[in-house]
Amino acid sequence: QSALTQPASVSGSPGQSITISCTGTSSDIGGYNYVSWYQQHPGKAPKLMIFDVSNRPSGVSDRFSGSKSGNTASLTISGLQAEDEADYYCSSYRGSYTYVFGTGTKVTVL
Amino acid sequence: QVQLVESGGGVVQPGRSLRLSCAASGFTFSGYSMRWVRQAPGKGLEWVAIISYDGSNQNYAGSVKGRFTVSRDNSKDTLYLQMNSLSAEDTAVYYCAREGSPGSSSWYAFEIWGQGTMVTVSS
Repeated sequence: QSALTQPASVSGSPGQSITISCTGTSSDIGGYNYVSWYQQHPGKAPKLMIFDVSNRPSGVSDRFSGSKSGNTASLTISGLQAEDEADYYCSSYRGSYTYVFGTGTKVTVL
Repeated sequence: QVQLVESGGGVVQPGRSLRLSCAASGFTFSGYSMRWVRQAPGKGLEWVAIISYDGSNQNYAGSVKGRFTVSRDNSKDTLYLQMNSLSAEDTAVYYCAREGSPGSSSWYAFEIWGQGTMVTVSS
C-alpha cells in the first residue's frame, strides 16, 4: 500500500503559478475521480482545498485548481501569495473502503 | 460550530495499548462516516482507518490491520481508536476526520479535521 508520489518541494515567486503533481496507479487516481488536496501549515491540521479532482469547497480561493490525466493528478496555485507557503498533500480513494495519501510537497514562496 | 476534538494521546511503552477518542459537535455525528489519519514527526499523512456512519463497516491500512480497531458510539457523538501492540513506528499525531457531503464537498473527501493528539511509543 505505497503512497502516491509527489515532488518533495516546489517553489515560486509571488504572483507566479506553480503546479504540484501527484502520481498513482490505475487502482487509485486512474480508477476513480475521487482525488482531493489538502493544505497544511506547520503545527496545524490539514485543510481541504480541492475535492473530486477539480472542485473547490466554499471559502477556498479560486487561485487553487485541480485536474487529472490518467494516473496523475495536479494542483495548480496561481497568483502565488506568501500565505500559500505550506505543505500540500493529495489523496485518492483506492476502492474497497480504503484511501491513500501522497508523500507531500513543501511549497516555498521565494 | 462543527468541531472534532481528539484526546487520549500520550507516552506509552512498546507492546502496550492506548485508546484515542474523538468528540464531535456541531453536526449530526450519526450521519457521517469517520476516519483516522496519522502523521509521524516530520513525515506525511497516512490514512489509518475508516468506519461507516452506523459502525457496520470498517477498514484499515495494512500497517495497522489486526492491531488497531476503530469504533464509534453514536449516542455519545464519539469516535474511538483502540491501538494494541504499539511500536515506535506508531509514534505520530493522530487526527480524526469527517467525510464531506454533497452539499459541501464529497463523501470521499476528508472535510473536517480535529487538531490531533500526539502518541509517543517509547520505553
